[in-house]
Amino acid sequence: DAKTTQPPSMDCAEGRAANLPCNHSTISGNEYVYWYRQIHSQGPQYIIHGLKNNETNEMASLIITEDRKSSTLILPHATLRDTAVYYCIVRKASTAGNKLTFGGGTRVLVKP
Amino acid sequence: GAGVSQSPSNKVTEKGKDVELRCDPISGHTALYWYRQSLGQGLEFLIYFQGNSAPDKSGLPSDRFSAERTGGSVSTLTIQRTQQEDSAVYLCASSSLVLSYNEQFFGPGTRLTVL
Repeated sequence: DAKTTQPPSMDCAEGRAANLPCNHSTISGNEYVYWYRQIHSQGPQYIIHGLKNNETNEMASLIITEDRKSSTLILPHATLRDTAVYYCIVRKASTAGNKLTFGGGTRVLVKP
Repeated sequence: GAGVSQSPSNKVTEKGKDVELRCDPISGHTALYWYRQSLGQGLEFLIYFQGNSAPDKSGLPSDRFSAERTGGSVSTLTIQRTQQEDSAVYLCASSSLVLSYNEQFFGPGTRLTVL
């Protein structure tokens, strides 16, 4: 699976949009970009995934560049409960199941 | 509906003792995964089950670690002769393999402390 690079930490003001970057320059054509987050003392939680097109759900938006070498997770209106470590993961989709390889992630602190 | 559950939530044991950690996946989820997270370390994969078989055991750190899954449901991770470096949070996840992106749902974890 392709390696990802994320900034180790970032702060965000409550109510503002949080833009979390991720570089995955070695991504291959059949690999998806996934985002998970881990709130303190909890297990990781799936946020969103995408292949080529931008995606949006009730939690966030995912913007993938045309060359697919980087992406941005957008939390449109950050709340204090969004304080967590956010992981960008690239892996192949497979109905055979596939482990997640977590890097260091970005520690996001939402401040009042 | 019920999510992934794990028991116990906390386990303190003495070095050299054996421990068993249990995972109850979401009903109907074919795939089950074990991960661990050590203090200051990231999340690392241990083993993956599809049904009752384990096609990927590549993350098990030593032969002291083993896992089984019965009835395509509950899984048990066993650590024999525990060492202090085994102290970590052990996380279980499950997923349905119907959709190719197979989102993994994680349990709350078992915090293991080896004294």
